[in-house]
Amino acid sequence: GAGVSQTPSNKVTEKGKYVELRCDPISGHTALYWYRQSLGQGPEFLIYFQGTGAADDSGLPNDRFFAVRPEGSVSTLKIQRTERGDSAMYLCASSLLAGGNNEQFFGPGTRLTVL
Amino acid sequence: QQQVKQSPQSLIVQKGGISIINCAYENTAFDYFPWYQQFPGKGPALLIAIRPDVSEKKEGRFTISFNKSAKQFSLHIMDSQPGDSATYFCAVLRSNDYKLSFGAGTTVTVRA
Repeated sequence: GAGVSQTPSNKVTEKGKYVELRCDPISGHTALYWYRQSLGQGPEFLIYFQGTGAADDSGLPNDRFFAVRPEGSVSTLKIQRTERGDSAMYLCASSLLAGGNNEQFFGPGTRLTVL
Repeated sequence: QQQVKQSPQSLIVQKGGISIINCAYENTAFDYFPWYQQFPGKGPALLIAIRPDVSEKKEGRFTISFNKSAKQFSLHIMDSQPGDSATYFCAVLRSNDYKLSFGAGTTVTVRA
């Protein structure tokens, strides 16, 4: 595709449920990032993939959050036992390579609401 | 811990006016300073970026001014247009890193 795509665009779930958020990066981009954006705030880093491996998951808030990228392209962010505090916009970004010289292109995000 | 502080939180400007957004940081290791524009329902998009070896960068109506000694940088939107109404985020990054640290954002409203 032309840009980063994310599905679903909106997800409403109940407290305690499990959710999966999907990200399709720009074709050929090796680096993939997940950020979380709370209302009225800037995006905050969650996890970075280089290829298939999670090179840095230091931003994941706790062990309820997990992400995979099994074939080095599509990534899925998984949240177990969702809590109301997990409600936010989840943004995915990709870049050709990692590092400051490589622009990160963001997708439109998935708005997660936990009731 | 917020790596960059952004102000104002919001601003309203008349069409044709100048919008100015300011950001300040503490860590002198940062050497890449991008600005992102975000429209409702969309992800942030890179607008313009600067490195500390220059004090100003201009692209069309958008200008970044950078003050290395003060550890501050600002975005100027000249001849503001209604289509510029969006939320703007400054960010900081070390060139050997990949984790963008964003400011809290400024919502700009341009009145026709």
